[in-house]
Amino acid sequence: QKEVEQDPGPLSVPEGAIVSLNCTYSNSAFQYFMWYRQYSRKGPELLMYTYSSGNKEDGRFTAQVDKSSKYISLFIRDSQPSDSATYLCAMSARSQKVTFGIGTKLQVIP
Amino acid sequence: GAGVSQSPSNKVTEKGKDVELRCDPISGHTALYWYRQSLGQGLEFLIYFQGNSAPDKSGLPSDRFSAERTGGSVSTLTIQRTQQEDSAVYLCASSSPRRDPYEQYFGPGTRLTVT
Repeated sequence: QKEVEQDPGPLSVPEGAIVSLNCTYSNSAFQYFMWYRQYSRKGPELLMYTYSSGNKEDGRFTAQVDKSSKYISLFIRDSQPSDSATYLCAMSARSQKVTFGIGTKLQVIP
Repeated sequence: GAGVSQSPSNKVTEKGKDVELRCDPISGHTALYWYRQSLGQGLEFLIYFQGNSAPDKSGLPSDRFSAERTGGSVSTLTIQRTQQEDSAVYLCASSSPRRDPYEQYFGPGTRLTVT
């Protein structure tokens, strides 16, 4: 079993929809949780970063962490075609080593 | 300012040849990471450099893989006697000591194809 599980998709939604992306994990030592966005043929870029449990909001993006369930989510409101990308969850314990999910490919259809 | 740069952007090599991949991190970033991204496999951690400390090589898949970082800046990832399973995108990232260590800035990657 992988430490981080993420559905690779693809996930297709109409423009304006609310998108929910999720990851589960098995390592209870993980405390730092990130979401990266990766456009085709580009490197990943950091979208959201949260420490421990709770919610964090940044514009149309909301990250949620539920450590009791070992489950993290990224919500995208009012999705746009420009949001079409692969979204990778990532997490770390008290170290510099970051473990990534496989990434979910999202397509927002105009 | 300039981001993380990697070269070459694409590399096609024959099985058994050695290859060198280069990463130029953002100026002032003391941490440098190498990852491998394969289809259906996600990002796989390879090696991590932090300042003058000994690198964390725990992710290197075999002794054919090695990396060095000269002068605390540029890094080279070397793959000896390449195999077809080495075909992947190799990504480099760096982070700043003045920012959160998990805020990694990635380069565009080197797409390696072993024929």
